[in-house]
Amino acid sequence: AQSVTQLGSHVSVSEGALVLLRCNYSSSVPPYLFWYVQYPNQGLQLLLKYTSAATLVKGINGFEAEFKKSETSFHLTKPSAHMSDAAEYFCAVTPFYSSASKIIFGSGTRLSIRP
Amino acid sequence: DSGVTQTPKHLITATGQRVTLRCSPRSGDLSVYWYQQSLDQGLQFLIQYYNGEERAKGNILERFSAQQFPDLHSELNLSSLELGDSALYFCASSVGMVGTGGTGELFFGEGSRLTVL
Repeated sequence: AQSVTQLGSHVSVSEGALVLLRCNYSSSVPPYLFWYVQYPNQGLQLLLKYTSAATLVKGINGFEAEFKKSETSFHLTKPSAHMSDAAEYFCAVTPFYSSASKIIFGSGTRLSIRP
Repeated sequence: DSGVTQTPKHLITATGQRVTLRCSPRSGDLSVYWYQQSLDQGLQFLIQYYNGEERAKGNILERFSAQQFPDLHSELNLSSLELGDSALYFCASSVGMVGTGGTGELFFGEGSRLTVL
């Protein structure tokens, strides 16, 4: 079975500061991992994904995440926060080998940016 | 614009009623997923269809049902509605499934907001 834990339901950083959103996963088989972002009154959209290629994955809007198997983590970072980054962020996992994928989302982390 | 269309965007109804939410996936996508998003439960996976067949089931109540039609659009039927069913219902689509050529990336619609009074 797969599961995702996002540490911190709410993270607040100053504009220009480092953004770090934490995600730990549990999977009995090699996983695919994703970060999605949800802006107010919108659906989720993909930020980046890990699909067993490079462990450091770069996404849109300057975000990146590193897959660390030993720590079962897939934390999301951005060197310098911008006001437009304020949104809810979801980490998700799905098994690498599956004929019936069931993508499991974490509970989400709301990112606030202070001027 | 993700290419996934959901209707209606907003729906207000009474307890005990039945509603149908509709989803048109992106052109070419064979998989459709339904999720329920509420403040207390977060984003919960309900059900997945692939090319007309049910492929995975999550926390979907027996009062809820779904289907995917030959033209690949999908409908989620919610019956005997309760106050607790008030939520945002998302449809998402993907090209395929992990293990069958897809990487699991989902494209989400903007959701249907259901309010049960």
